[in-house]
Amino acid sequence: AQTVTQSQPEMSVQEAETVTLSCTYDTSESDYYLFWYKQPPSRQMILVIRQEAYKQQNATENRFSVNFQKAAKSFSLKISDSQLGDAAMYFCAYNSQGGSEKLVFGKGTKLTVNP
Amino acid sequence: GAVVSQHPSWVICKSGTSVKIECRSLDFQATTMFWYRQFPKQSLMLMATSNEGSKATYEQGVEKDKFLINHASLTLSTLTVTSAHPEDSSFYICSARRQGLSNQPQHFGDGTRLSIL
Repeated sequence: AQTVTQSQPEMSVQEAETVTLSCTYDTSESDYYLFWYKQPPSRQMILVIRQEAYKQQNATENRFSVNFQKAAKSFSLKISDSQLGDAAMYFCAYNSQGGSEKLVFGKGTKLTVNP
Repeated sequence: GAVVSQHPSWVICKSGTSVKIECRSLDFQATTMFWYRQFPKQSLMLMATSNEGSKATYEQGVEKDKFLINHASLTLSTLTVTSAHPEDSSFYICSARRQGLSNQPQHFGDGTRLSIL
């Protein structure tokens, strides 16, 4: 079974600075998807960014980018120019490409942005 | 964009009551929907996978008779918490993926906060 590990329960960053959230996963599959979801205090689950495992190029969405290291099974999220609205829980998630469509979530990292 | 509507957003009821939560995909069809449970300061835990026109697939440790799932149409799945007790109090979230697009991300509802007195 796949597992997702987020080793940082909490992180903090100064406004306008850059922060990186870590995520590692374990799988025997070669094709899969990885996601970062943001959950603010409202508890909505908001998709931040996603990466297809077959793509070598790291995904980027505005201030959010990932460092995908397939061999190391690592999928970190970098937030540049941090804003107060970035404060939230961030969950890393794994999804098989075929068969089960289940999302496997990490335990989450609580990000605090200091003004 | 894809929208998933979940209702109600918050419910408070007495112990022993059954509570039904609805999850609707508003602008797309979803043959599969997912139900998660989230305790405070914890991650999402998948409870079951809801399949349109067939029985739901429950995760290990989730009581099928306690958490009844019905997926009667391509746009609606319901979760009924039967004879709810205080330990069932939690945050329940559903998600759905567009039919036929397995490479698309799941879209989440806004969740239901369930409080059993």
